[in-house]
Amino acid sequence: QVQLQESGPRLVKPSETLSLTCGVSGSSITGNYWSWIRQSPGKGLVWIGYIYYSGNTKYNPSLKSRVSISVDNDKMQSSLRLTSVTAADTAVYYCASGTSTSGSYVYFDLWGQGTLVTVSS
Amino acid sequence: EVVLTQSPGTLSLSAGERATLSCRASQTVRGRFLAWYQRKPGQAPRLLIYGTSSRATGIPDRFSGSGSGTDFSLTISRLEPEDSAVYYCQQYGSSPETFGQGTKVEIK
Repeated sequence: QVQLQESGPRLVKPSETLSLTCGVSGSSITGNYWSWIRQSPGKGLVWIGYIYYSGNTKYNPSLKSRVSISVDNDKMQSSLRLTSVTAADTAVYYCASGTSTSGSYVYFDLWGQGTLVTVSS
Repeated sequence: EVVLTQSPGTLSLSAGERATLSCRASQTVRGRFLAWYQRKPGQAPRLLIYGTSSRATGIPDRFSGSGSGTDFSLTISRLEPEDSAVYYCQQYGSSPETFGQGTKVEIK
């Protein structure tokens, strides 16, 4: 059974960089888009962005200036970096496998359990 | 961006009853590219439906999706205790991909 697992620091200081990694266990993902999604406390799910297996990326305009997503296909890992974080970036961060049937827009056929990252000094 | 509004916020029904969850978009969802997810506490969200009405692998046929334009729905024909969860819709017809705020289904 394929599973995704997020890992990284659970506590980040304001103005610093949040870094998370997503790994696959069990097999390989079916989707071609390594995706990141977050949910802040009391708020809805927000798509952060994705990277296609070829390296092309797409980001949510609301976060584009601060986010970067990379992939290591050999290690079957994706990484998320979010710079200059504030308390508003406190959230559960999910990685997900994305599949597209609509051009470059994706739905998410496999998710990790998510990891809570708190931004606080 | 496309704003998705889900209703009701909470649905409380008995096992065996039919549940209908609504997802309304602020503009037409291109290509009916709408998905539904189930999230239980402590678990990874699970894809139920994609393309408005196609069930994902392993999803029981008591889950069905329908709709077009701006109005979509997820129906659970006969609720079972394990269906207690929060359900989210998501559109992927235009960028950025967006989610609804969720409907919590409680089994009495």
